[in-house]
Amino acid sequence: DAGVTQSPTHLIKTRGQHVTLRCSPISGHKSVSWYQQVLGQGPQFIFQYYEKEERGRGNFPDRFSARQFPNYSSELNVNALLLGDSALYLCASSSAAYQETQYFGPGTRLLVL
Amino acid sequence: AQKVTQAQTEISVVEKEDVTLDCVYETRDTTYYLFWYKQPPSGELVFLIRRNSFDEQNEISGRYSWNFQKSTSSFNFTITASQVVDSAVYFCALSGPLGFGNEKLTFGTGTRLTIIP
Repeated sequence: DAGVTQSPTHLIKTRGQHVTLRCSPISGHKSVSWYQQVLGQGPQFIFQYYEKEERGRGNFPDRFSARQFPNYSSELNVNALLLGDSALYLCASSSAAYQETQYFGPGTRLLVL
Repeated sequence: AQKVTQAQTEISVVEKEDVTLDCVYETRDTTYYLFWYKQPPSGELVFLIRRNSFDEQNEISGRYSWNFQKSTSSFNFTITASQVVDSAVYFCALSGPLGFGNEKLTFGTGTRLTIIP
C-alpha cells in the first residue's frame, strides 16, 4: 500500500503570497494532521482533521487554514507568507481508531523569499 | 501542557559502538503515549515505536531497545552495534489518549546521531 503522499515536494514563494499544500493519507485512514518543522527544530502541530472536521489546532495565526475532503485528502493553506513560514511541512495520517499511530509523509519544503 | 526534552543535541559515535538517546517528558495526562521517530536526510519521519503509559516493559527490536521508566519520566532509546545507516535525527514525541482525531504529537527538539565509519 502507498504511504502518505504530499505535493509539491518543494516550493519557493515570495513574501505576501499564498500557498496551498496537499496531502493524501494512507488508504483507509480518516485522520490527517499537519505539522511545521523549522530547520533545526522538532515538528510543531498545526491542525488535525478527522472525518472532515477540525479536531485540533496548534498555536498558529489565522493565516494558516486547512480542510479535509470527502476522500480524506487534505489541503493546508497559508496566506500572506512571511519569511518565518519557511519550513518543512509534514502531513501525517492515522486510521483514528483506538490507539492508532500517525504515519508521516515526505513533507513539502517551503522557502519564502 | 505537554513537554518533551531531548537534552542531547548531537551525538557522534564510531560504528559498532552502542549509543543511548535520552528523552524526558512532562504531562498531566494519566493515559499517554510515547513515540520515537527517525528522520533521515530525506526528511520523512519514520515511525519506530509507540508505548502507552500503562506498559513499562522494555522492548527490543533487533539492534534497537527502549527503556520506559515512569518514575523518572524517561523513555530512552538504545542502538546496539551502531551502523552508518543509523545516522539520522531522532525525535521523541508524546501524545495524550489516542483515537478519533485526538493524536496531536508534541515533539522534542531531536538528537542528531552521526555514526562514523
